[in-house]
This record gives sequence, structure tokens and C-alpha cells, in this order.
Amino acid sequence: GQNIDQPTEMTATEGAIVQINCTYQTSGFNGLFWYQQHAGEAPTFLSYNVLDGLEEKGRFSSFLSRSKGYSYLLLKELQMKDSASYLCAVKDSNYQLIWGAGTKLIIKP
Amino acid sequence: GAVVSQHPSRVICKSGTSVKIECRSLDFQATTMFWYRQFPKQSLMLMATSNEGSKATYEQGVEKDKFLINHASLTLSTLTVTSAHPEDSSFYICSAKGQLTGELFFGEGSRLTVL
Repeated sequence: GQNIDQPTEMTATEGAIVQINCTYQTSGFNGLFWYQQHAGEAPTFLSYNVLDGLEEKGRFSSFLSRSKGYSYLLLKELQMKDSASYLCAVKDSNYQLIWGAGTKLIIKP
Repeated sequence: GAVVSQHPSRVICKSGTSVKIECRSLDFQATTMFWYRQFPKQSLMLMATSNEGSKATYEQGVEKDKFLINHASLTLSTLTVTSAHPEDSSFYICSAKGQLTGELFFGEGSRLTVL
């Protein structure tokens, strides 16, 4: 079956750095997405990786290793507004998006 | 980025009534839109894929006669929850596929409460 694993919840301190991991087992791979979702709101796009390596976009970076079925989202200089759920999603061989359950990130002052 | 608008954002209805939710792509044409349902503290669950000009493709376990999807134009898809019951209370989210990366652009979501 298809499976995406990410931690249920993480806690970090304002101003610090946090890394949210995502491992996947899917039938084929056509890209990996990270989305941010604040409580009660729809997800917003953060990043897209299809090749191995690190993609940096401001305070957020996303890394992919296809051979390991692994990705992480790195958030730097954490702000209180970064408190949200972070969803990892993989596009499989049929171009269907398989969603992880999300990681709830709690930022403390 | 592309904009997807969803309406209404909140709706409360009585059990047995029907509710229509609209999803519009405001600045691009979306041949494919997706409808998701999300229960509290759970991830998005794909309900159906809506294709302009053809029948929607429903995921296993989703009743097509209860969740009617219409994608009559390249900018509008609608989801109608027929004969709603309290267990249908949920957060319904639509998205449209971007043309370059396949990135999904999400509507604001519609919170349905069935009394």
C-alpha cells in the first residue's frame, strides 16, 4: 500500500530552527509537496521537490532524497505565526496526490 | 499565484436539506478540480476529481448520489451535499491544479454544520 509518515506533533521555540521529516512509500514518484495549514483554514503551498537536493525559499527549505523515500521541511527563525500543521504530499505514478496526516507545529515564546 | 475562491465559507443547515458549495478559479482555467473533506485533526481526504465537461471521478466509499459534483465551465465546479445529515458536518475544501508544476491551489474551504 501507499504510505506517508510524518510526526504527529512537534514543539519549537520562537527564533529557533525546526526540521519536519516525511518518509514515503508510494507506487511511483512524480514529486513531493509541502503545504502549511492553519487551524480552520485551507492549506497553502510551501514547496515542490521532484529532484534530489535542497530547495530554499526564504525561511523555508525543503529537501528530497528519492532513493531513501525521504524529505524534510526546514523552518528557520521561527515566528509565532508559523504555528500550524505541515502536510507532506506525494504525487504517485498515476499523478494522484497521497497525503500525510500532517505535523502540528507548536511554537513557544 | 493563482487564486481559487470557494463560497460559502460557513453554512449551517437542517438535517435533510441540500447545500451547494461553489469553487471558482479566478485567474486561470482549471480543467481539473478536486474536492476534499477534512474532519477535525485529520488530513485531507480526497472525495472526487472534477473534470470540466465530464462526470466526476469519485473515490472509493464516497457516494456519488449524495455528493453531486458539477464542473460545467473551466472556472467553476460545484459540490452539492444532498439530504445532509449531522455526520456530513465537516470542512470541505476544493482545489484546482496549476498548469506548470501541478501545484494545487486551494479554495478557502467551507465549514458545513448540519443540525
